[in-house]
Amino acid sequence: NAGVTQTPKFQVLKTGQSMTLQCAQDMNHNSMYWYRQDPGMGLRLIYYSASEGTTDKGEVPNGYNVSRLNKREFSLRLESAAPSQTSVYFCASMVGQTRNSPLHFGNGTRLTVT
Amino acid sequence: QKEVEQNSGPLSVPEGAIASLNCTYSDQGSQSFFWYRQYSGKSPELIMFIYSNGDKEDGRFTAQLNKASQYVSLLIRDSQPSDSATYLCAARESSTLGRLYFGRGTQLTVWP
Repeated sequence: NAGVTQTPKFQVLKTGQSMTLQCAQDMNHNSMYWYRQDPGMGLRLIYYSASEGTTDKGEVPNGYNVSRLNKREFSLRLESAAPSQTSVYFCASMVGQTRNSPLHFGNGTRLTVT
Repeated sequence: QKEVEQNSGPLSVPEGAIASLNCTYSDQGSQSFFWYRQYSGKSPELIMFIYSNGDKEDGRFTAQLNKASQYVSLLIRDSQPSDSATYLCAARESSTLGRLYFGRGTQLTVWP
């Protein structure tokens, strides 16, 4: 039982390059999320998927797209990377929207855009 | 815009002392609240959650919730150097989507 698995762990991109961050969970959770974490800014929600087949924008969606490929997998795509997207990205999942359902986080992807 | 505010710290306490971490939230309808611990370079890990007014204890940790004041706190008793980390407070929004909104975190250092 691996929980939430993110790949890659580290990535360096040049401005304008594209890449996809992969996330998979094996806990049969319905909801999946992408957050970014910047120094002094806490965790900010980029996109989420409340259930398989649905996706929606969070607080900071500009410059990103997502795909909920199936119940297990939720990917985040940067079409044209910018230095402002240098951050640590966390994927998380949750069984549902009940009040005592916590988020379970992956180990993160540290992205640098030069 | 839903907000969660935390004392940014840093907070520094001696080993064995009580560390007190505080959080306020803006969404009056929020029903549940979560405390996560994050070591440097690692992902957040859940410490505990609370959804009823009052105190909830789990080992050395006590979460306190006051919905009237929109205030959540985390007390760490008998603090240990291994408790040195950033503590994140999160509130579940009141809509059916139930997304979690996070504060910026409070950095805690426990010195021997």
